[in-house]
Amino acid sequence: DSGVTQTPKHLITATGQRVTLRCSPRSGDLSVYWYQQSLDQGLQFLIQYYNGEERAKGNILERFSAQQFPDLHSELNLSSLELGDSALYFCASSVEGEFAKNIQYFGAGTRLSVL
Amino acid sequence: AQKVTQAQTEISVVEKEDVTLDCVYETRDTTYYLFWYKQPPSGELVFLIRRNSFDEQNEISGRYSWNFQKSTSSFNFTITASQVVDSAVYFCALSEADNYGQNFVFGPGTRLSVLP
Repeated sequence: DSGVTQTPKHLITATGQRVTLRCSPRSGDLSVYWYQQSLDQGLQFLIQYYNGEERAKGNILERFSAQQFPDLHSELNLSSLELGDSALYFCASSVEGEFAKNIQYFGAGTRLSVL
Repeated sequence: AQKVTQAQTEISVVEKEDVTLDCVYETRDTTYYLFWYKQPPSGELVFLIRRNSFDEQNEISGRYSWNFQKSTSSFNFTITASQVVDSAVYFCALSEADNYGQNFVFGPGTRLSVLP
């Protein structure tokens, strides 16, 4: 158990809808990262927050947004969902904000199915 | 652009065999970090090792060992006396310094099946 909690584990929704994925980092970690894992794209970094502020951005679509709250939990919002958004979404956390060398601890993921 | 290649898509071995998973990377940076993560059938990603570009010392942790060779841009992972519990997808990842999100990339993964 990494200590990173993601909810829900599974989410089934329809095209055009909006969903929110939630992540609680390990105790003491200030950074939260979001990743998307799909069969065709593999594991892709989406976005990082450090102590409430956006720190790094990867290949995140404009339809997707995230935030980190004062209690350090984070939410990833996915809107206007398309079939291609079906994927496993991971959250990871680390103590510090420096992306390059941080060891990231991953949650179990949220499997999103868009029908 | 940086890149990570894991040429072995799938490997099957019989329990107790040794197996090496290959990772070849491309980067123009002199400072970078390499990682290995394991994704067992349950789905979560488990951190295995981090190595920085200035530390070419090989590392052993129990049945796991890693061979980092800058000359060939490789960071290979060997499991000795494999066990069924080693069955998983293994990812190699490269993170360049001054990374603000565009310079962190995972390889495509190698699926290892250890048969009893």
